[in-house]
Amino acid sequence: RKEVEQDPGPFNVPEGATVAFNCTYSNSASQSFFWYRQDCRKEPKLLMSVYSSGNEDGRFTAQLNRASQYISLLIRDSKLSDSATYLCVVTTGGGNKLTFGTGTQLKVEL
Amino acid sequence: GAVVSQHPSRVICKSGTSVKIECRSLDFQATTMFWYRQFPKQSLMLMATSNEGSKATYEQGVEKDKFLINHASLTLSTLTVTSAHPEDSSFYICSALSGDLMNTEAFFGQGTRLTVV
Repeated sequence: RKEVEQDPGPFNVPEGATVAFNCTYSNSASQSFFWYRQDCRKEPKLLMSVYSSGNEDGRFTAQLNRASQYISLLIRDSKLSDSATYLCVVTTGGGNKLTFGTGTQLKVEL
Repeated sequence: GAVVSQHPSRVICKSGTSVKIECRSLDFQATTMFWYRQFPKQSLMLMATSNEGSKATYEQGVEKDKFLINHASLTLSTLTVTSAHPEDSSFYICSALSGDLMNTEAFFGQGTRLTVV
């Protein structure tokens, strides 16, 4: 079983749709959780951190369920510019080791 | 936010030659940097953790004699792909962590696309 698992997609959605991505992790000692966005042939960039209490940043909402070892990302009112690969990232080893999921590809269409 | 600069962004080399990739933290000191490799349509895979002033820690399956890492200062780590072969063609990305345990963010270099012909 992979340490961090994501549905690779692609998710093809119309502009304005709401889309949700899920991620599960296997290491119960994982400490911090993030969603990164990676555009084609570019480096990943932090989208948002994920907290147990849930957090929201504009159209983006992230949730963490430690008991189920599950992370989610919800995107509302999708824009064309949201098209990218979304990477679930988990830290272990005192926060020094980042483990990436395979990424979920999102394509927002007109 | 913190900035990590990686150079070169793209390199094409002949099989058997060596290629050096540089990773610099521009506005913060990074005692630890990470080197990743990403093949097409796959996730970033950690190759090694580069520690300033000491030997790098390699992930299982990564040949330390082939991927030489040097972290001589708090702002520079280098990865040298020695005797490169076509199967080494990939996207190599470095990153460094900035912040404390409660508020850590990984910053990535722009990546180096290596093509071995």
